[in-house]
This record gives sequence, structure tokens and C-alpha cells, in this order.
Amino acid sequence: EDQVTQSPEALRLQEGESSSLNCSYTVSGLRGLFWYRQDPGKGPEFLFTLYSAGEEKEKERLKATLTKKESFLHITAPKPEDSATYLCAVQAAYGGATNKLIFGTGTLLAVQP
Amino acid sequence: NAGVMQNPRHLVRRRGQEARLRCSPMKGHSHVYWYRQLPEEGLKFMVYLQKENIIDESGMPKERFSAEFPKEGPSILRIQQVVRGDSAAYFCASSRNTNTEAFFGQGTRLTVV
Repeated sequence: EDQVTQSPEALRLQEGESSSLNCSYTVSGLRGLFWYRQDPGKGPEFLFTLYSAGEEKEKERLKATLTKKESFLHITAPKPEDSATYLCAVQAAYGGATNKLIFGTGTLLAVQP
Repeated sequence: NAGVMQNPRHLVRRRGQEARLRCSPMKGHSHVYWYRQLPEEGLKFMVYLQKENIIDESGMPKERFSAEFPKEGPSILRIQQVVRGDSAAYFCASSRNTNTEAFFGQGTRLTVV
């Protein structure tokens, strides 16, 4: 069964304290891995798409990397405004036409000033 | 370019009533997805539609739930005879193509009393 596991469930950092979030996945053929940010009461906001092992994407203080079994979201020198829930999702390369995303339960990040 | 628009943002229904949730995709997007987010759980796929066609409804409950995406107008998620367990946040997403990222709306928070 296709599955996405994120760790840790919650993470508290001091402003400027770099860290990484983990997303482990089991999927029958990976079409793409997606990172989203979700603020309370809001919809998920797209951050990155990764398609193949070894690929990296960067945006401001965030950097996403991908291996054959997991992805990391590295946060460098975080600021309080980076506080949010970070969601990882995979899209499987099924034989059919479905594009559904399989989500993990997220990592709740709190950055203290 | 407006994002994915969902309405209403909040919906309260009594048990046994019908709930209708609307979603207008981003301009130029013809692929629409509905997800449900229960408290303390991750986003769960419900249904994937293209104009006038249901492509994948593997995540939809067999009874009381239906979805459509007509040639003209928004996509509609319809829940008949709502029960307390239907209370959740319902998110719509859209994408331009099958292999591109999906962008989410702000969600409709359904409360069944």
C-alpha cells in the first residue's frame, strides 16, 4: 500500500536554528513528490515538486531534496514567519489516469523569536 | 490571476440536510480534485474530475457523496443527508496538466450539528 510518513510530528526551533524535516514514502513507482505549507485555517500552499532521486529545489530559507526512499525539507536560519504545518505528498505512477496525491500527516513547525 | 476559489468558507448543516460545496479552479486549469481533512488527520483524496468526467472516485464514500464538474460553472461536491462524521474541512485543488502541481483553495469547513 502506498504510504507517506513524516517526522517529527512537531518541531520547535529558536529563530536562526537550522533543522530538517523528513518525509519517508513507499509507493509503487514515484511520479512526483510535493511539499506544501499549511497555515491554520488556510489551504495548503505549494512549495516544491521533486521528480527524481538526487534532485534539489530551493526557495528562500527552504531547500528540498529527494532520494529513492525519502525527502528532506531543510530550513536554514528560520524566522517566526516560517511557523506552519509542512505537508509532504506523493503522486504514484499508476497505470491509470489518476493524479491523486497521498499526503503525510505533516510536521508542525514552531519558530520562537 | 485568481487562485482556486471555494465557497462557502464555512457551512453549518443539521443532521439529515444536504451540503453543497463549490469550487472554481484557477484560470486555464481543467483538472479538479477534492480532498477532506479531518481533525488531527492528514488530507485524504476523494475524487478527481475533468470537465464533465469523473476520472477517479476511489476516495469517495459509496453513499451520500457525489461530485460533478460541468462544462460551464464550478465543480460541486454534494453530500446528502449529512451526519456528524461528515464534519471536516473540504479542500478543492486544480492543476493545468496531469504532471503539474496542484494548487489548493482555502477550503470549506463543514459543521454538522
